[in-house]
Amino acid sequence: AQRVTQPEKLLSVFKGAPVELKCNYSYSGSPELFWYVQYSRQRLQLLLRHISRESIKGFTADLNKGETSFHLKKPFAQEEDSAMYYCALMDSSYKLIFGSGTRLLVRP
Amino acid sequence: GAGVSQSPSNKVTEKGKDVELRCDPISGHTALYWYRQSLGQGLEFLIYFQGNSAPDKSGLPSDRFSAERTGGSVSTLTIQRTQQEDSAVYLCASSPRTSGSYNEQFFGPGTRLTVL
Repeated sequence: AQRVTQPEKLLSVFKGAPVELKCNYSYSGSPELFWYVQYSRQRLQLLLRHISRESIKGFTADLNKGETSFHLKKPFAQEEDSAMYYCALMDSSYKLIFGSGTRLLVRP
Repeated sequence: GAGVSQSPSNKVTEKGKDVELRCDPISGHTALYWYRQSLGQGLEFLIYFQGNSAPDKSGLPSDRFSAERTGGSVSTLTIQRTQQEDSAVYLCASSPRTSGSYNEQFFGPGTRLTVL
């Protein structure tokens, strides 16, 4: 079955600390994975996708097929990073299968 | 330019009533998706349109839910005989997707549905 798991509902860190938001997936094929972010009172938006291998707002995510993981990382968290983060898998019909989300709270 | 818009932004209804939720995609986007965001369930796929046809309706939770798209543009999600468990934020997304490739999905602000 296709599934995305985000084990942490809430992750709280201090400003300047490293951040890692965990994501594991189950998919019987070559996965295409994404991180979406929803800031307070804003709409859901794409943060990054694994296939582009880019860094957005200091965030990176590496696909590890052996561990079926796609963890989101940032070396130094900023207060403006506080938001809801969703990991998502695209299936063969191009729809997104989302994890349950992790709320990141960056404290001053 | 204008993004995906949805109306109404909030809808409160009584159990048993029918509701219609509207999505206006970005002009020229051929693919349109409906998702539902509810407490404890996260974001769930409901239905996907390519043009006016719906090749994937697998996420519709019951036959009380239906959706249509006309003119390759506006889409309406209809929920008949609403139940309290239908309370959620309904999100619409569109993408310029052409077959064989992925394009980013752009999300609307959502419609918050509350069934009393």
